[in-house]
Amino acid sequence: DAKTTQPPSMDCAEGRAANLPCNHSTISGNEYVYWYRQIHSQGPQYIIHGLKNNETNEMASLIITEDRKSSTLILPHATLRDTAVYYCIVRGGTVGGNTPLVFGKGTRLSVIA
Amino acid sequence: EADIYQTPRYLVIGTGKKITLECSQTMGHDKMYWYQQDPGMELHLIHYSYGVNSTEKGDLSSESTVSRIRTEHFPLTLESARPSHTSQYLCATSRDPSTDTQYFGPGTRLTVL
Repeated sequence: DAKTTQPPSMDCAEGRAANLPCNHSTISGNEYVYWYRQIHSQGPQYIIHGLKNNETNEMASLIITEDRKSSTLILPHATLRDTAVYYCIVRGGTVGGNTPLVFGKGTRLSVIA
Repeated sequence: EADIYQTPRYLVIGTGKKITLECSQTMGHDKMYWYQQDPGMELHLIHYSYGVNSTEKGDLSSESTVSRIRTEHFPLTLESARPSHTSQYLCATSRDPSTDTQYFGPGTRLTVL
């Protein structure tokens, strides 16, 4: 699976959009981009995933560049409860695929009042 | 979302004891996973299962063992606990066979004295 590169930490003002970048320059055609987050001492929480097109759900938006070598997770109106470690993961998505997700170090997002 | 239960949530035990950490889910997901995470550190996959009677070792070597006799249960056992086993253990399940979106339980925080 392609490796990802994320900044170790970021700050964001409460109420502003949080834009978390992720580089995955070696991604291949069948690999999905996943985002999870982990709030202190809890299990990770799935946020969103995508293959080529931009995706949006009730939690966030995922913007994937046209060449798919990078992506950005957007939290449109960050709150204090969004303070967490955010993981960007790339994994092949073949039907019945057998490669588990591999979590890296992630980005520690601090939302500041 | 999956309902995933882990018991106990906290366990303090002496060296040499045998322990079993329980993980159960009510959604009928085939794939289940065990991760180990030290405070402030990365998640490491230690075991996973694709279904009943299937178990695989993860990328982090572990002295623990797992079994998958029933779809709902994926217990993890340490035959002889040591202080080096002190960590948080997180169980997860996966619903979608192609994209492997994972849902995590609340975790078990183990302390071995």
